[in-house]
Amino acid sequence: ETGVTQTPRHLVMGMTNKKSLKCEQHLGHNAMYWYKQSAKKPLELMFVYNFKEQTENNSVPSRFSPECPNSSHLFLHLHTLQPEDSALYLCASSLDRENSPLHFGNGTRLTVT
Amino acid sequence: AQSVTQLGSHVSVSEGALVLLRCNYSSSVPPYLFWYVQYPNQGLQLLLKYTTGATLVKGINGFEAEFKKSETSFHLTKPSAHMSDAAEYFCAVNYNQGGKLIFGQGTELSVKP
Repeated sequence: ETGVTQTPRHLVMGMTNKKSLKCEQHLGHNAMYWYKQSAKKPLELMFVYNFKEQTENNSVPSRFSPECPNSSHLFLHLHTLQPEDSALYLCASSLDRENSPLHFGNGTRLTVT
Repeated sequence: AQSVTQLGSHVSVSEGALVLLRCNYSSSVPPYLFWYVQYPNQGLQLLLKYTTGATLVKGINGFEAEFKKSETSFHLTKPSAHMSDAAEYFCAVNYNQGGKLIFGQGTELSVKP
């Protein structure tokens, strides 16, 4: 149990589908993050939310749309994805945006067909 | 651009042997430094961190790392490898720019019986 829960663990979707990834933390953290982990590439920071406000969008294509309704929940809405978007999507949280360590969920393995 | 480099994408050691995973950062200003571990089908888990103070930092599972400012390094070591240490290890650096964490490309550790 990591304290950060991601659902679903696995997702297969076609390029015309719309799906959402969910992340939930009950650690009392104020910052939440989406990372993309592709094979043989460093972790890519996608989005950052601090106290429910988006503070960073790392030039992510608009087919990825984040939502943070409160400090405990984070979503990543997906639509018209491409096969190269297949990856492990990791959610993380931290107490604040300064130097607090990140707590990661186990990720959602996404395959786009 | 500020970066973090992990030397060796794959390291293999025998059970009981010394583990040494290398990490170098690029900054004249000491950053905050982290090591994370990722076991198969899981998210990243914090091993240890350096912020200020003692330069030798002890983490979980018998790992430790030493911050060497003169070498801009933060290498991870463990005196005696266990089979359960087989995983991917990530060095991460916070250059104190809005709390953005930069990850290295990861080093996969294999442990042979």
